[in-house]
Amino acid sequence: QKEVEQNSGPLSVPEGAIASLNCTYSDRVSQSFFWYRQYSGKSPELIMSIYSNGDKEDGRFTAQLNKASQYVSLLIRDSQPSDSATYLCAVNGGTGGFKTIFGAGTRLFVKA
Amino acid sequence: GAVVSQHPSRVICKSGTSVKIECRSLDFQATTMFWYRQFPKQSLMLMATSNEGSKATYEQGVEKDKFLINHASLTLSTLTVTSAHPEDSSFYICSARGVVGNTIYFGEGSWLTVV
Repeated sequence: QKEVEQNSGPLSVPEGAIASLNCTYSDRVSQSFFWYRQYSGKSPELIMSIYSNGDKEDGRFTAQLNKASQYVSLLIRDSQPSDSATYLCAVNGGTGGFKTIFGAGTRLFVKA
Repeated sequence: GAVVSQHPSRVICKSGTSVKIECRSLDFQATTMFWYRQFPKQSLMLMATSNEGSKATYEQGVEKDKFLINHASLTLSTLTVTSAHPEDSSFYICSARGVVGNTIYFGEGSWLTVV
C-alpha cells in the first residue's frame, strides 16, 4: 500500500463545476496535510495546508480533512480552464518525522 | 509565503561533464532542503535530503557519488550532477521546509538536457 494515494485521473469537469480531488494516507499519526498544484513543465506550488479535522476555505478552494478516515480532499468551486493541472497531495509529521510524503498526483482537466 | 529560488532554470551540457544547480531560500533560513527529479508525465521522485552542515541523506537507488549535494549555509544547497549522461536529462526541483507547519516550498525547477 502506498503511503499517500491519489487517483491518477484524468478527472474531467466542465467549466463552472466543482472539482473534487481525493487523497488517502496510511500513517495514522500524520499531522500536516498539503495540496500543491503543478502545471506541466513547472514546479509544484502550494495551494492549501490543513492541520485539523474539518474544512478550510480559501477563495474557490476548500480543503477537507478527516483524520479518523485518513482522508483529505480538495474541492475547487467554479472550476476554470486555468485550473487544469496536476494536483499533489502531501502528508507530513507521521512516524517518519518531518519527512513529507507526496502522492503521485491527480490530473485535472477543466473543459471550456 | 516563503520563497525558494533555483538556478539555472535550463541548462544543456555535454555528456561526461558536470553541472551544478543552486537552490536558495530567499527570505528564511532552511536547515533542511530536498532535491527531487521528475521525468515527463511522471511523479516527483525524492532524491536526497540536504541538511545544513552535515552530509545529505540519499534515497535508495540514488548514487551519492554521482549526485553531489552540498548544504554549506542556511540559505543555499547545491546539487552537482557529475559525469552527466543523456539518461540524467530530467527536471530537477529543490524544496525547502519552512518554519511554520513543516510546509514545503519549491524552487522553480531546473531542466537539464545532456547531449
